[in-house]
Amino acid sequence: NAGVTQTPKFQVLKTGQSMTLQCAQDMNHEYMSWYRQDPGMGLRLIHYSVGAGITDQGEVPNGYNVSRSTTEDFPLRLLSAAPSQTSVYFCASSYSLTGNTEAFFGQGTRLTVV
Amino acid sequence: GEDVEQSLFLSVREGDSSVINCTYTDSSSTYLYWYKQEPGAGLQLLTYIFSNMDMKQDQRLTVLLNKKDKHLSLRIADTQTGDSAIYFCAESMRNSSASKIIFGSGTRLSIRP
Repeated sequence: NAGVTQTPKFQVLKTGQSMTLQCAQDMNHEYMSWYRQDPGMGLRLIHYSVGAGITDQGEVPNGYNVSRSTTEDFPLRLLSAAPSQTSVYFCASSYSLTGNTEAFFGQGTRLTVV
Repeated sequence: GEDVEQSLFLSVREGDSSVINCTYTDSSSTYLYWYKQEPGAGLQLLTYIFSNMDMKQDQRLTVLLNKKDKHLSLRIADTQTGDSAIYFCAESMRNSSASKIIFGSGTRLSIRP
């Protein structure tokens, strides 16, 4: 039972570098999303997808790109890392949003931008 | 707009009841959730309530929903040290263009002996 798998768990980047945070789920969930968690700010939605080929922006999308070429994978790309992107990133998936559905979360990626 | 608000901290004595409160702004919310995050881990669903209900009980957990005031609470009876965590309130929303889940800032529950 893999559930939602995020890699890497930890990453340090220099300002201006790019990288991709990986997220994969094996539950055939349609809905996937990326959040960032900062102290005192809770979880803020970056981007989300309601199915393969469909993505949309959340609350804080600037500086991040996503794509959803398959149901299973939803990578988050940082194009040019900035210190303000230092955060813990969580990927989540759920079957849908139309019922009493549970969102399953990955273990998180702790990103530091220096 | 979409906003979910919670207080940041709550401290209770072991054995007492904990009540964590949440307010939300979107009256079109369909489901409201409580998630628990233990240190170094992702979030896990604790319980949820459909927007046409006003109460749900599940063992030590009681969820109360006041839809008129857009107020949601989570009561944990007989609070134990294992209940120390951050608790997130969340709402599931649909509009003409999108469906999404919005989370509050989280309430950090600490237990005093």
